[in-house]
Amino acid sequence: AQKITQTQPGMFVQEKEAVTLDCTYDTSDQSYGLFWYKQPSSGEMIFLIYQGSYDEQNATEGRYSLNFQKARKSANLVISASQLGDSAMYFCAMRAPQNAGNMLTFGGGTRLMVKP
Amino acid sequence: GAGVSQTPSNKVTEKGKYVELRCDPISGHTALYWYRQSLGQGPEFLIYFQGTGAADDSGLPNDRFFAVRPEGSVSTLKIQRTERGDSAVYLCASSLEGGRETQYFGPGTRLLVL
Repeated sequence: AQKITQTQPGMFVQEKEAVTLDCTYDTSDQSYGLFWYKQPSSGEMIFLIYQGSYDEQNATEGRYSLNFQKARKSANLVISASQLGDSAMYFCAMRAPQNAGNMLTFGGGTRLMVKP
Repeated sequence: GAGVSQTPSNKVTEKGKYVELRCDPISGHTALYWYRQSLGQGPEFLIYFQGTGAADDSGLPNDRFFAVRPEGSVSTLKIQRTERGDSAVYLCASSLEGGRETQYFGPGTRLLVL
């Protein structure tokens, strides 16, 4: 079974600074995908970034980058130049390929608070 | 284009009542997922549709929960004899084909069972 662990229930970061949100995962599959979603107070899950297990380079999307360390089974999200609008819950998720449809398994989330 | 939409945004009901939650996926997406998110937790998978059929319903907690997608587009999650423990946010997501594509989520329906 897959498991996602996010060990930081809450994080503070100063506006304009970078912040790293931790995510470790456990799977027996060789092929898998890792996702980060942002959930503001409105409740909608917003897709941020994706990393495939066979991707050789770390994924980047604007101010978001994924620090993928396969041997350590970690997929940390790095947000550069934090903005007040980045304050939200952040969820790490993994696709489970052995199940039909590749549903996502989510971690417990990290609440990020950006200080002005 | 339009994203995933869900109605109602909020639903308050009494214990024992029947509720229906609706999801309208992104146009052209054949895969549709339902997740449930309890307070302070990450979403948990409930059921997955590929087209009209439920390809995986292993996440449904019991037989009070049922979902349909009769025309391969809009889906309805149905909960019978609601219990207070059913209170949660019910999230719907869709993806292009259900394989490795990214799942895009709707805003969710907040269900409160009194």
